[in-house]
Amino acid sequence: GAVVSQHPSWVICKSGTSVKIECRSLDFQATTMFWYRQFPKQSLMLMATSNEGSKATYEQGVEKDKFLINHASLTLSTLTVTSAHPEDSSFYICSARASGGLEQYFGPGTRLTVT
Amino acid sequence: AQSVTQPDIHITVSEGASLELRCNYSYGATPYLFWYVQSPGQGLQLLLKYFSGDTLVQGIKGFEAEFKRSQSSFNLRKPSVHWSDAAEYFCAVGAWEGNKLVFGAGTILRVKS
Repeated sequence: GAVVSQHPSWVICKSGTSVKIECRSLDFQATTMFWYRQFPKQSLMLMATSNEGSKATYEQGVEKDKFLINHASLTLSTLTVTSAHPEDSSFYICSARASGGLEQYFGPGTRLTVT
Repeated sequence: AQSVTQPDIHITVSEGASLELRCNYSYGATPYLFWYVQSPGQGLQLLLKYFSGDTLVQGIKGFEAEFKRSQSSFNLRKPSVHWSDAAEYFCAVGAWEGNKLVFGAGTILRVKS
């Protein structure tokens, strides 16, 4: 149980285009989802927290107009990187948490490369 | 806000040897704590967790960790390491208010045969 999927697992896009990453909880309802970014050989940095039906809460320094997060249902959250640039290339990982729970269940990650 | 330190960036152990990975946290109250493992290019897998109660917690793959409040530590241990344990290990601390997780920098474990 508690499986989280991400799609796509890797994506290459051109500079200036937008890319959408999906995060799904497959066997539980996720009232809260988290988006992290991980640079090579570094730890995970929380980008934003989203609660179903509400606007996402972004961490300091994260541009909310660049990283659009939508949590429209209890099983799906999306991260859209708008007008992507090479410096946005990174490994993006989502996690999901059920109502009343403390554990976060992590997706397998999405490798984004912007050329 | 909470913070977590993993003082060892790399650790190399021989297969069959014991392992201890260090994790120290900073938080004004008792946090909840996790250890995760990440293989290259993969997401995070939960090894074990501590919320309250017994300070020695058992996890998957033969791992255990002990919460020591007096030392603000949550070290991960395994009595006999297998080659398949080579990966990066992250300690994470959560705060009861806000429910955010803060991750340590990670420790890369290498296992030599």
